[in-house]
Amino acid sequence: KAGVTQTPRYLIKTRGQQVTLSCSPISGHRSVSWYQQTPGQGLQFLFEYFSETQRNKGNFPGRFSGRQFSNSRSEMNVSTLELGDSALYLCASSIRPGGWETQYFGPGTRLLVL
Amino acid sequence: SQQGEEDPQALSIQEGENATMNCSYKTSINNLQWYRQNSGRGLVHLILIRSNEREKHSGRLRVTLDTSKKSSSLLITASRAADTASYFCATDDNNNDMRFGAGTRLTVKP
Repeated sequence: KAGVTQTPRYLIKTRGQQVTLSCSPISGHRSVSWYQQTPGQGLQFLFEYFSETQRNKGNFPGRFSGRQFSNSRSEMNVSTLELGDSALYLCASSIRPGGWETQYFGPGTRLLVL
Repeated sequence: SQQGEEDPQALSIQEGENATMNCSYKTSINNLQWYRQNSGRGLVHLILIRSNEREKHSGRLRVTLDTSKKSSSLLITASRAADTASYFCATDDNNNDMRFGAGTRLTVKP
């Protein structure tokens, strides 16, 4: 079974631009969660999607948004990029919401904002 | 914001020794989990312990949970160089919100 895949793996953007990151969950997993990891703030939960609906959202500004498609693939978008958005963005999939024991993480997308 | 605080922040040991990492948290939780992350890559789920459990084992891993002290420990026995990684605890609550600690950077020297 293929693991969680994230594209692109690396990305460089400039301030003010927007970016879209993609996550393909493990086959059969319907829940996708997104996390941001920075040296300063550590790992922080962004949001979780299940059946194309956002179930939970972390404490991030409205510039961070996401969506989930009918095939469970998910995208997250960050608009009006700021330097502080430079981070490793991880997505994780699980069979069901809150299915932590069955949550598998992708390799991440490393975003650098210049 | 980070829920858990791990200590130590960094730990360096010799292969074969045991490594103990601790995690403290602030609010009531449903579950506490430990993850491993190899240098800037994805997280690997190690073990989950529920709030009504006190101890759990998985291979060379032993996790304890003390809800009265709001703390957990992860013990890796007979460490190997391949165990070198960052280890994070994560908690989830009734809202299914997941919060991570700052992590412990473990280095196992061959």
